[in-house]
Amino acid sequence: DIQMTQSPSSLSASVGDRVTITCRASQDITTYLNWYHQKPGKAPKLLIYGTSSLQTGVPSRFSGSGSGTHFTLTISSLQPEDFAIYYCLQSYSIPITFGQGTRLDIK
Amino acid sequence: EVQLVESGGDLVQPGRSLRLSCTVSGLNFGDNAMSWVRQAPGKGLEWVGFIRSRSYGGTVEYAASVKDRFTISRDDSKNIVYLQMNSLKSEDTAVYYCTRRDANNYDRFDYWGQGTLVTVSS
Repeated sequence: DIQMTQSPSSLSASVGDRVTITCRASQDITTYLNWYHQKPGKAPKLLIYGTSSLQTGVPSRFSGSGSGTHFTLTISSLQPEDFAIYYCLQSYSIPITFGQGTRLDIK
Repeated sequence: EVQLVESGGDLVQPGRSLRLSCTVSGLNFGDNAMSWVRQAPGKGLEWVGFIRSRSYGGTVEYAASVKDRFTISRDDSKNIVYLQMNSLKSEDTAVYYCTRRDANNYDRFDYWGQGTLVTVSS
């Protein structure tokens, strides 16, 4: 199974900050990496798919990069609605696996 | 508008069975793979399994934690995907989400239901 490891596990930041979350795969997943965020009591929401493609309707302050085993999600200027838990997911091979999550809190 | 609506969540005793349903509207259900993802209270997301579309054989894949206990099926005439859960354990307690698996775009899970809570407890 491919293990997905996110860092940091938690992060405090302020509105307007630039934030980067990292996801590492235990083996090569090419670009089959998706990012989600989840707010309390809500379903996860897809932000980025295929490493760097922005899901329709997602603000352009979100961007993704990487390939192989190392991936990043960047939020260029945090907005109040961005405080949530962020998950990466690899869809390269079965079993599909999520990262453990990164909690992004308001500083 | 695409909508996925799960139902069937309940409080059930260990060892018993439960079937969840996910009714889908707003997309061509028969052409799409569908997946289940769960989230235990206060925990992260865990993929449960998915079922391919008929054009891909309608085959299914499962996480090791549920294989041989859970069964995913679909009724394309009703736009419903099911999750039959047998021999339930306390560790199966979770919110269960139904998602569309977009095989044309990096197998992304782009549409999600609101989730249905399954509690396994005596």
